[in-house]
Amino acid sequence: TQLLEQSPQFLSIQEGENLTVYCNSSSVFSSLQWYRQEPGEGPVLLVTVVTGGEVKKLKRLTFQFGDARKDSSLHITAAQPGDTGLYLCAGSALYAGNKLTFGGGTRVLVKP
Amino acid sequence: NAGVTQTPKFRVLKTGQSMTLLCAQDMNHEYMYWYRQDPGMGLRLIHYSVGEGTTAKGEVPDGYNVSRLKKQNFLLGLESAAPSQTSVYFCASSYDSYTEAFFGQGTRLTVV
Repeated sequence: TQLLEQSPQFLSIQEGENLTVYCNSSSVFSSLQWYRQEPGEGPVLLVTVVTGGEVKKLKRLTFQFGDARKDSSLHITAAQPGDTGLYLCAGSALYAGNKLTFGGGTRVLVKP
Repeated sequence: NAGVTQTPKFRVLKTGQSMTLLCAQDMNHEYMYWYRQDPGMGLRLIHYSVGEGTTAKGEVPDGYNVSRLKKQNFLLGLESAAPSQTSVYFCASSYDSYTEAFFGQGTRLTVV
């Protein structure tokens, strides 16, 4: 059982559409990170959120950390084929041994 | 700047054989992690280390052992490989559990 649950597991959309990926937990996290992974590569950090209610924007990507620091979302506006990949959320918390644990991932496919 | 280097990149083992995966980082990071990733899934934490000479169990530690004798190296050992350990293994390092984790390229292990 993973502490972080991601939904949906798979998302297939057309170029130009918007999408949202969710990362939920019943536990409070000190911080949450979002990574993107491409085939044959290791994950690469997109953003870190640390404050409840925080919103960060990275070009067409918007990241939000829930007020209670138990959940986060990633929204992509006008998706492009280059956004295709596996999106992973990861979190750490002092009560959980300060280790970085990952959600199950959301595989996103953006069709041209 | 090499970052995180894993060796080997590919390996095929017979059931019952043993092997060691090596992870080396040149960023003077305290934290190091070993994850496994199965097809279509996220990363599951095997073992981790918060500093030289320390190790701790993650979510799926059974069948694996680790050592962190030097700060820059984190070794993952399989004493008696089983087909269930067929997976892609990723090593990562970070300054602490809240900052960016840098990943190696992965080791694809097949146990037959």
